Amino acid sequence: EVQVLESGGGLVQPGGSLRLSCAASGFTFSNYAMSWVRQAPGKGLEWVSVLSNSGDSTYYADSVKGRFTISRDNSKNTLYLQMNSLTVEDSAIYYCAKNRGVTRYSSLDYWGQGTLVTVSS
Amino acid sequence: DIVMTQSPDSLAVSLGERATINCKSSQSVLYSSNNKNYLGWYQQKPGQPPKLLIYWASTRESGVPDRFSGSGSGTDFSLTISSLQAEDVAVYYCQQYESLPFTFGPGTKVDIK
Repeated sequence: EVQVLESGGGLVQPGGSLRLSCAASGFTFSNYAMSWVRQAPGKGLEWVSVLSNSGDSTYYADSVKGRFTISRDNSKNTLYLQMNSLTVEDSAIYYCAKNRGVTRYSSLDYWGQGTLVTVSS
Repeated sequence: DIVMTQSPDSLAVSLGERATINCKSSQSVLYSSNNKNYLGWYQQKPGQPPKLLIYWASTRESGVPDRFSGSGSGTDFSLTISSLQAEDVAVYYCQQYESLPFTFGPGTKVDIK
């Protein structure tokens, strides 16, 4: 059974940092691109970032570019999102999602339950 | 960036009736090299993560009931629920994955009338 499980969310002050993790199981992790999507409370979905299966190709939404870094450890079946210089606008549930394909140009077929990030003083 | 719009914002349909949600992209998401539309539909129920229903605009994900169908090409797409069930109450999102940054529509809330 495919599972993705996020962790690392919490309360952080503006300007602070947080590292999210996403543990994957039930599929060959190194064969698939992986993504992060966020959802502010009561709002719609916002695509954040995607990483190729090998980890050598990344892309970010303009809203997080230069502040967030996506990475993966295929030996640990884990995806990461390093978030720096956080602002209140970054407060959201962060979902880790498996891409359907090797490439980033694919839909998201499995989603975690999400981890809540709250940026507040 | 490709802007995705959805209509209506919300709709209420009687049980067993048809529900249709529209999605429009600001530029074509049809990739000419493989003739595929890079468009997906997701269902999100309250308190749950999104669930993939449809990919390539019209291919139903495994396990998704056949009352859900997707259609359209280029810039105009639709998701149809042929016979609305109580468990279909949710917000539905379209997403394009043809051009980075990938973008979602604002969502359409479906309720029972």
